[in-house]
Amino acid sequence: DADVTQTPRNRITKTGKRIMLECSQTKGHDRMYWYRQDPGLGLRLIYYSFDVKDINKGEISDGYSVSRQAQAKFSLSLESAIPNQTALYFCATSDLRAGVETQYFGPGTRLLVL
Amino acid sequence: KQEVTQIPAALSVPEGENLVLNCSFTDSAIYNLQWFRQDPGKGLTSLLLIQSSQREQTSGRLNASLDKSSGRSTLYIAASQPGDSATYLCAVNNAGNMLTFGGGTRLMVKP
Repeated sequence: DADVTQTPRNRITKTGKRIMLECSQTKGHDRMYWYRQDPGLGLRLIYYSFDVKDINKGEISDGYSVSRQAQAKFSLSLESAIPNQTALYFCATSDLRAGVETQYFGPGTRLLVL
Repeated sequence: KQEVTQIPAALSVPEGENLVLNCSFTDSAIYNLQWFRQDPGKGLTSLLLIQSSQREQTSGRLNASLDKSSGRSTLYIAASQPGDSATYLCAVNNAGNMLTFGGGTRLMVKP
């Protein structure tokens, strides 16, 4: 089974709709992240969480919100979806061992906003 | 603000060639640098991580170098194979353990 799972894998929605993307992990990591990827661009950080009670905005948080329901679950919500939020969304987890942090990524959710 | 650039954006080579992917970054105060591989429909897989104090890391046919003072890293792939076809992403880790990604190099290795 995959260590980091994302649901749904693909989603088509309409402008103005509220949608939620979910991420679950079995790695036991405290740190979780949400990124978006646009064609030809690298991943950009939306939100991150270093533990259940810690939520931080990333580079491009406007129009998004998150919820860290448990150590293993981190959800991303689009309150009112707009077409320029069409992108590939990735969840990631990380741990810090001996001063080295490595991030582990889920398979991605492809979102289309019409 | 850290900016990461990868050149070329796309590369097509015949099988067996040695190749170099380039990554440059604007702020040399990095914690580490990672190279990832991205396959369609799948997440990113970490290939190599170079700490700021290191010059290079090797894994099999892959070798990544880091020149922090000049803001450059290269990923060298020896004896390329069709299975190496993927998008390769470079990411730098600044203070706060947040990654800044380049736009990626899309590699196609033809049989």
